[in-house]
Amino acid sequence: DAKTTQPPSMDCAEGRAANLPCNHSTISGNEYVYWYRQIHSQGPQYIIHGLKNNETNEMASLIITEDRKSSTLILPHATLRDTAVYYCIVRVMGSARQLTFGSGTQLTVLP
Amino acid sequence: DAGVTQSPTHLIKTRGQQVTLRCSPKSGHDTVSWYQQALGQGPQFIFQYYEEEERQRGNFPDRFSGHQFPNYSSELNVNALLLGDSALYLCASSSESGPNRYTFGSGTRLTVV
Repeated sequence: DAKTTQPPSMDCAEGRAANLPCNHSTISGNEYVYWYRQIHSQGPQYIIHGLKNNETNEMASLIITEDRKSSTLILPHATLRDTAVYYCIVRVMGSARQLTFGSGTQLTVLP
Repeated sequence: DAGVTQSPTHLIKTRGQQVTLRCSPKSGHDTVSWYQQALGQGPQFIFQYYEEEERQRGNFPDRFSGHQFPNYSSELNVNALLLGDSALYLCASSSESGPNRYTFGSGTRLTVV
């Protein structure tokens, strides 16, 4: 699976949009971009995934650049409960493939 | 709808002992994966079980073994515990035929003294 690079930490004001970047310059054509987050003392939680088109669900939006070498996870109206470590993972579709977690981005939402 | 259930939530063991951790997958899921998360690091893949067999394994020694039962629940066994085995152990379940996303439990915090 392709390697990802994320900033170690970011801050965001409550109510504002949180934009979390991820670089995956070696991504292959059949690899998807997944985002998970891990709130302190809990297991990781699935947020969203995409291949090349932008995706949106009830939690977040995922913007993937045209060359697919980077992506941005957007939390449109961050709340204090969004404070967590956010992991960007690139992998081929298929449940037999494990998730390879990096260090992630610690997002802190400030009141 | 119950999610992934792990037991126990916390455990303290002595070096050299053996430990068994348990996981019940989310309803409708048939695949179980185990991860180890050391303090301050991302989870590391241990192995995955499907149809009661180990399908994939990460870079972990043979001291780590597992089992999946016909009801899809799973156990993780660690023998000859080392201090370095102290970590949060996470179980994740998924459906072989469903959406390709994992549901994680809250983990078992293992401390080896």
